Amino acid sequence: ILNVEQSPQSLHVQEGDSTNFTCSFPSSNFYALHWYRWETAKSPEALFVMTLNGDEKKKGRISATLNTKEGYSYLYIKGSQPEDSATYLCAPNYGGSQGNLIFGKGTKLSVKP
Amino acid sequence: DTGVSQDPRHKITKRGQNVTFRCDPISEHNRLYWYRQTLGQGPEFLTYFQNEAQLEKSRLLSDRFSAERPKGSFSTLEIQRTEQGDSAMYLCASSLTGVWETQYFGPGTRLLVL
Repeated sequence: ILNVEQSPQSLHVQEGDSTNFTCSFPSSNFYALHWYRWETAKSPEALFVMTLNGDEKKKGRISATLNTKEGYSYLYIKGSQPEDSATYLCAPNYGGSQGNLIFGKGTKLSVKP
Repeated sequence: DTGVSQDPRHKITKRGQNVTFRCDPISEHNRLYWYRQTLGQGPEFLTYFQNEAQLEKSRLLSDRFSAERPKGSFSTLEIQRTEQGDSAMYLCASSLTGVWETQYFGPGTRLLVL
């Protein structure tokens, strides 16, 4: 059973704070890592797909890094805004024929105005 | 809106009843996935289709669950003889072929079994 760990489980920050979360995953047979943002009552929104060791991706104030050798990824949010409040999910996939994602439990971010 | 759609968004049923959910993927996507999320957990893989062929089923998918994707377009997920433990959010996602392809999710169907 593949275990994907995300920390912290939840995070409360003030508007303007910068924050980061961690995703740890088994590094054997790794193919790609997906990050999603899931706001309540909406569809999970794809943020990044990362494949190579050392990859860095950026989308506005959100960025992510990937270390495939040790099996972790960091997600950073610079200058958090209330609209960033959501659950952030990471999901590696291990290829094979299916490419199904193995999700962590997520980090729930609340940004207070 | 050309995203993934799911119907219904909410379903309340009594234990022992059958329920069916529908997923309409993004039209050019040949892969379609079903996931289930229970409280406090991340989404868990149930099954996936490549066009109309169901290629993989998780051990989570008991005999009471069946999924179809006729003609490789929309998909249905049926749960027979529902149990309280089936209460969850059922998510559908679609993608192009390839493990690096982004999976685009629908809003989910929230099932409550009383």
